[in-house]
Amino acid sequence: GNSVTQMEGPVTLSEEAFLTINCTYTATGYPSLFWYVQYPGEGLQLLLKATKADDKGSNKGFEATYRKETTSFHLEKGSVQVSDSAVYFCAAPGSARQLTFGSGTQLTVLP
Amino acid sequence: SQTIHQWPATLVQPVGSPLSLECTVEGTSNPNLYWYRQAAGRGLQLLFYSVGIGQISSEVPQNLSASRPQDRQFILSSKKLLLSDSGFYLCAWAQGQTRNNEQFFGPGTRLTVL
Repeated sequence: GNSVTQMEGPVTLSEEAFLTINCTYTATGYPSLFWYVQYPGEGLQLLLKATKADDKGSNKGFEATYRKETTSFHLEKGSVQVSDSAVYFCAAPGSARQLTFGSGTQLTVLP
Repeated sequence: SQTIHQWPATLVQPVGSPLSLECTVEGTSNPNLYWYRQAAGRGLQLLFYSVGIGQISSEVPQNLSASRPQDRQFILSSKKLLLSDSGFYLCAWAQGQTRNNEQFFGPGTRLTVL
């Protein structure tokens, strides 16, 4: 099945800094790719997705581009806020109707 | 629109006691359902998934079991809890015929076993 490798955390940034969280995948074909966010004490929420190669997913100022040539789906935001502090998970379809998740990256944004 | 509920939100149980966590989905039919566990500071571990009533696949042999008595109800159980069962339990659903396996998560249950 497909696999996902995600940048290890934790990541600590100052407010308004630029964010990149790296994610690479191995897959057969061109599956949809996802970024989920988990705020403290909550479940996972879908942040953005891209359903085909070269697509860009975007939401709440976050972006990720599905790059087939580098098999990457890096998450970026130009200016982070304290409210962006959360754990971020990259994901791709795995086997048998499952999702394969990265290990998660803890982001802390300081005021 | 679809919604997913989990209860209880938090639970503190002694070692050796039974467990029952419930998950229900509204606004969709014949979903795929999933139970995950998240230990403190760690990633997601898929425990069980179900593609229909009475159909359960176990990903990790352990102290837990799952059942799906109704189309939109998924239950996680244990007869005797262990300390290592502590964690954050997440239920998720996906469209039954989805091609991309996009999943939607519930709010989670925080279980502490003492």
